[in-house]
Amino acid sequence: DGGITQSPKYLFRKEGQNVTLSCEQNLNHDAMYWYRQDPGQGLRLIYYSQIVNDFQKGDIAEGYSVSREKKESFPLTVTSAQKNPTAFYLCASSKGYGHYGYTFGSGTRLTVV
Amino acid sequence: GQQLNQSPQSMFIQEGEDVSMNCTSSSIFNTWLWYKQDPGEGPVLLIALYKAGELTSNGRLTAQFGITRKDSFLNISASIPSDVGIYFCGVYNNAGNMLTFGGGTRLMVKP
Repeated sequence: DGGITQSPKYLFRKEGQNVTLSCEQNLNHDAMYWYRQDPGQGLRLIYYSQIVNDFQKGDIAEGYSVSREKKESFPLTVTSAQKNPTAFYLCASSKGYGHYGYTFGSGTRLTVV
Repeated sequence: GQQLNQSPQSMFIQEGEDVSMNCTSSSIFNTWLWYKQDPGEGPVLLIALYKAGELTSNGRLTAQFGITRKDSFLNISASIPSDVGIYFCGVYNNAGNMLTFGGGTRLMVKP
């Protein structure tokens, strides 16, 4: 079955370390997205990519970096420059055209201690 | 960017009660989507609305695309504990390639 997979589900890191969150999809979707969600809050867009080898900053890109070397993969790196990295991170994908909505992964909860 | 106002922000209801939430904007849109996020999971698409005035059901859920194209409503009938979660509305930008989400309505159901 096609889907979108985020790993790991839970991640712990020490303050000052970079950490990379994985997102893989086998839906043949062109577009992929990263969102951050804080407790009891909505979804804030970090980065998005409409096509391989291209990506754009979202509303809260500072302290984050991404790459899109393959259609299936859109990893997110949380750098030490991100001042408050503890959050729930959601990856999503879509066809990139047509109003079909996004398919979301099950999320990665990052805790920085 | 587009601003979606979702209300209420949270609801705490008794099992068996009906629920109503809405999403409004000052701009018109051609598509309204409703998602549900279970605790600790990613959002899942519940209902998609493509035509002004459209009323669409999915089990106990019913959503309507407002006639003015500036709002949408989601109703849940006879709520059950597994309805707990955050409900998000979403609309597409003019180019049709980016979704904007509302702030969410957190639903809590007391058994």
